[in-house]
Amino acid sequence: QVHLQESGPAQLKSSETLSLTCRVSGTSIYSSNYYWGWVRQAPGRGLEYIASISYAGKTYYSPSLKSRVSISVDASKSQFSLRLASVTAADAAVYFCARLRYTHTVLMDWGQGALVTVSS
Amino acid sequence: QSVLTQPPSVSAAPGQNVAISCSGGNSNIGTNDVSWYQQLPGTAPKLLISDNNKRPSGIPDRFSGSKSGASATLAVTGLQTGDEADYYCGTWDSSLSAVVFGGGTKLTVL
Repeated sequence: QVHLQESGPAQLKSSETLSLTCRVSGTSIYSSNYYWGWVRQAPGRGLEYIASISYAGKTYYSPSLKSRVSISVDASKSQFSLRLASVTAADAAVYFCARLRYTHTVLMDWGQGALVTVSS
Repeated sequence: QSVLTQPPSVSAAPGQNVAISCSGGNSNIGTNDVSWYQQLPGTAPKLLISDNNKRPSGIPDRFSGSKSGASATLAVTGLQTGDEADYYCGTWDSSLSAVVFGGGTKLTVL
């Protein structure tokens, strides 16, 4: 059974950089069949795609966040990470990591989510 | 504003059927397969339907999906109180090179 677990600081101040890591277990991260990505959900709002990465390091980014986002993978540790620079209150959300089919049309498995708050 | 358009809410009585629509364009639904996700209150989304109409293992056949042109539909038959949740459609947008979602539909079982 695939398991994804997010970790990282829960509270940030405006202008700081958000850093989250997703640990993958129950499957190999070394597969060309999948990508590994991040989706966020602001309080009371819908799902927003952030970025995704293959085990080999090929990346895709949301056009609206691309200038502030970086995604990376450490396949040897079976984990991938997200960095979002210059956060504001608008970045406060639950951040989910997910396993995606390589076509990006299916998010097959999701982590439980990590709540991130931003104070001024 | 979401790339894919869903009704904000739908409701029906237990035992009845509902349909949730998801409208997009040529660069997303018109070209790529659609998935649907169920998000129960306070939990992470869960894959409900993939490839327009395929149910992962463990998903009841009361849930079904279809796609026509640039629109997709999730149908739920024999509603149960446990089906109360938010439902999202999603796919890949070939022009944006990004995953896109609908704004979500809140299903209320009266």
